Amino acid sequence: DAGVIQSPRHEVTEMGQEVTLRCKPISGHNSLFWYRQTMMRGLELLIYFNNNVPIDDSGMPEDRFSAKMPNASFSTLKIQPSEPRDSAVYFCASSWVADTQYFGPGTRLTVL
Amino acid sequence: DQQVKQNSPSLSVQEGRISILNCDYTNSMFDYFLWYKKYPAEGPTFLISISSIKDKNEDGRFTVFLNKSAKHLSLHIVPSQPGDSAVYFCAASAGYNQGGKLIFGQGTELSVKP
Repeated sequence: DAGVIQSPRHEVTEMGQEVTLRCKPISGHNSLFWYRQTMMRGLELLIYFNNNVPIDDSGMPEDRFSAKMPNASFSTLKIQPSEPRDSAVYFCASSWVADTQYFGPGTRLTVL
Repeated sequence: DQQVKQNSPSLSVQEGRISILNCDYTNSMFDYFLWYKKYPAEGPTFLISISSIKDKNEDGRFTVFLNKSAKHLSLHIVPSQPGDSAVYFCAASAGYNQGGKLIFGQGTELSVKP
């Protein structure tokens, strides 16, 4: 099994630009989670989906962030417009119901 | 409001000795606890877990202890090996009612010296 796949692995963009991060969960998993890791706040949950439906988006920092899961095998996290303080590593994870979460390798985002 | 806390940002241990990583939580609704290990440039990987109905779970060199009255858990690694050098995250969940939502601690960077 390929595990959770994230793209791109690295993204460098300028302030004000739109950024789209992508995630392919493990086949058969029905829960998907987006996390952000920063030095200040550690690993924080942004949003999670169950059966493609957003369940809890209370961790999304502000309206500039949005996430979608159009089908069971794909999700996106979009930041528009991006700001330097959005610079972080963004992880996607998937699981079967409330079982162990498996993480992707992450996307390192740098906003200049 | 930090519901899961790892108060030691780093820990250095000699190879062959015991590593003890600590974690405290505040939410009494948490009923499932996990430890994840993270190497640089990789995502966290699941290491070991414990349900709130137990006070100890062991898997090879790794043992997790849970003290519910103190709202404290710890991860013991015996014997420590240089390959164990990584960042360790403690996580807690309120279980199926929360859809498996995990709350992570800040992480502890373990360095095992040869």
